[in-house]
Amino acid sequence: DQQVKQNSPSLSVQEGRISILNCDYTNSMFDYFLWYKKYPAEGPTFLISISSIKDKNEDGRFTVFLNKSAKHLSLHIVPSQPGDSAVYFCAASERQGGKLIFGQGTELSVKP
Amino acid sequence: ETGVTQSPTHLIKTRGQQVTLRCSSQSGHNTVSWYQQALGQGPQFIFQYYREEENGRGNFPPRFSGLQFPNYSSELNVNALELDDSALYLCASSPPTENTEAFFGQGTRLTVV
Repeated sequence: DQQVKQNSPSLSVQEGRISILNCDYTNSMFDYFLWYKKYPAEGPTFLISISSIKDKNEDGRFTVFLNKSAKHLSLHIVPSQPGDSAVYFCAASERQGGKLIFGQGTELSVKP
Repeated sequence: ETGVTQSPTHLIKTRGQQVTLRCSSQSGHNTVSWYQQALGQGPQFIFQYYREEENGRGNFPPRFSGLQFPNYSSELNVNALELDDSALYLCASSPPTENTEAFFGQGTRLTVV
């Protein structure tokens, strides 16, 4: 039972353009959502989060949108840079600090 | 800056053996969680420790066990290793306040042959 799904295993974007990574979830008890970035041979690095009381959170080039009725969230990266090339994981939790349920990841490739 | 360190970085074990993985949490962090990441998958929650007590467990058999020590470092023990236990094992630590996120270590790559 995959409670958090990232349906696109990979995404390729030109440098300077927008990258949009999508994530769907099924558990309505999830209250907190996060995005992590992972380079090979490193652990996941926290990028940005959003609580269920908000529908948007912005941090520099990264914006996360949450649509609770659709149980969908997305990460927008604008402008995309080659250094953004990594695997991006969406994660959800029933509370901040609680166990994280991860999606399968989307591998983003930003071409110069 | 994560500050979470895991050892060893790589490990090869034989089926049926036992393994212990170690994690030093970031200074001041009293909550440690362990995750298993199989190839091509997202990390899966194994269990969480808070102040030396287990504070939640995922869908893993009892041969996966853990400990948290007074300095908040942690161990993950796996008995009777199976080939499917081959994965990247990630440790994450969180501070006492609830207003921040879990910080991950670089992981231990376990290969069971």
